[in-house]
Amino acid sequence: TQLLEQSPQFLSIQEGENLTVYCNSSSVFSSLQWYRQEPGEGPVLLVTVVTGGEVKKLKRLTFQFGDARKDSSLHITAAQPGDTGLYLCAGHSGGGADGLTFGKGTHLIIQP
Amino acid sequence: DSGVTQTPKHLITATGQRVTLRCSPRSGDLSVYWYQQSLDQGLQFLIQYYNGEERAKGNILERFSAQQFPDLHSELNLSSLELGDSALYFCASSEDPYSGNTIYFGEGSWLTVV
Repeated sequence: TQLLEQSPQFLSIQEGENLTVYCNSSSVFSSLQWYRQEPGEGPVLLVTVVTGGEVKKLKRLTFQFGDARKDSSLHITAAQPGDTGLYLCAGHSGGGADGLTFGKGTHLIIQP
Repeated sequence: DSGVTQTPKHLITATGQRVTLRCSPRSGDLSVYWYQQSLDQGLQFLIQYYNGEERAKGNILERFSAQQFPDLHSELNLSSLELGDSALYFCASSEDPYSGNTIYFGEGSWLTVV
């Protein structure tokens, strides 16, 4: 069973601070996705990374896929209250089963 | 709005009962996925259908079953319900089942078993 460990589980910081959350596994994934989920809603895809070492930027969010395609990080610069939510990473094995393997998520709270 | 519609949004039922959750995928999407989300287990993949056929199976209990109909909507049947089945059940859809395809999630069905 492929597992994705996310850290930290909970993070509460002040508006304007920077933060990094991590997604680690002992397994190799063909691609890795980051989602954000707000209360009462389903996860919404933020980004997909495919190539080892790949870096993608989405405004103040920077996503990196590890060289070995086993881990990823999400860095948020100058966090804003609107960034509050549950951030989930999900790995795709690329095999016959197409269901994503999700981490348990990082609950992020940005305080004004 | 992701375009994926799930009903009911909330459901409270007693142990031992059976419920059916319904999902309408985004227009044009052939693949439907079911996920279960709980506080302790996170988001767990249950099962996937593609164009009416079961394509992949995850951590789905034998008490649970699903199907995808010719009009592509899907139903998840949960029977002999236990307290531990209380969770948020998500349906998601994508155009095709291949790796890297964007999956769109519905808003979920909250199931509470009492």
